[in-house]
Amino acid sequence: AQSVTQLDSQVPVFEEAPVELRCNYSSSVSVYLFWYVQYPNQGLQLLLKYLSGSTLVESINGFEAEFNKSQTSFHLRKPSVHISDTAEYFCAVNILTGGGNKLTFGTGTQLKVEL
Amino acid sequence: DGGITQSPKYLFRKEGQNVTLSCEQNLNHDAMYWYRQDPGQGLRLIYYSQIVNDFQKGDIAEGYSVSREKKESFPLTVTSAQKNPTAFYLCASSSTKGANVLTFGAGSRLTVL
Repeated sequence: AQSVTQLDSQVPVFEEAPVELRCNYSSSVSVYLFWYVQYPNQGLQLLLKYLSGSTLVESINGFEAEFNKSQTSFHLRKPSVHISDTAEYFCAVNILTGGGNKLTFGTGTQLKVEL
Repeated sequence: DGGITQSPKYLFRKEGQNVTLSCEQNLNHDAMYWYRQDPGQGLRLIYYSQIVNDFQKGDIAEGYSVSREKKESFPLTVTSAQKNPTAFYLCASSSTKGANVLTFGAGSRLTVL
């Protein structure tokens, strides 16, 4: 069974500091990878995705993630965070076995940006 | 604007009662999903449907039921058999073509008193 590991349940960081949220997955076959963001009492919103091509993908608000096949990782980074980035971030993987679109989510990382 | 509407936003239920959560989408998506979210556990798939009149169990289907009579609608019933129903429930939809990126509703928070 596919699995996704987000090792850090909480990451506190000061505003304007860099941050990395870690995500590892278990699969030996092709995958689609996603990061979703959830603000309090809301649904999830897609932040960025890796489907194919360039292993570095970016979002419109300055986040980026790099697909590393050898390390089976898809870590999320931002060079300078803002208070408004405070949210919970979920990594998700869709293993391409032809069995339909069943995403597996990690347990989430709560990013708390402090002044 | 296209999107997914979940209702109610908050729901309180007494033990032993069934409740139904509504999910409607106007994105013309074929696939719809129900997830349960608990603190520290991420999202767990309850049921999903890839076409009208057909649905499959997810990882934690016990105590839940669904129907898919219309493409736009995928209601979830939390039955009295669900032993720990207090949670945040998220509905999502996607196309069945391409990468099938999920679009989520705003969620429904169910509390059992």
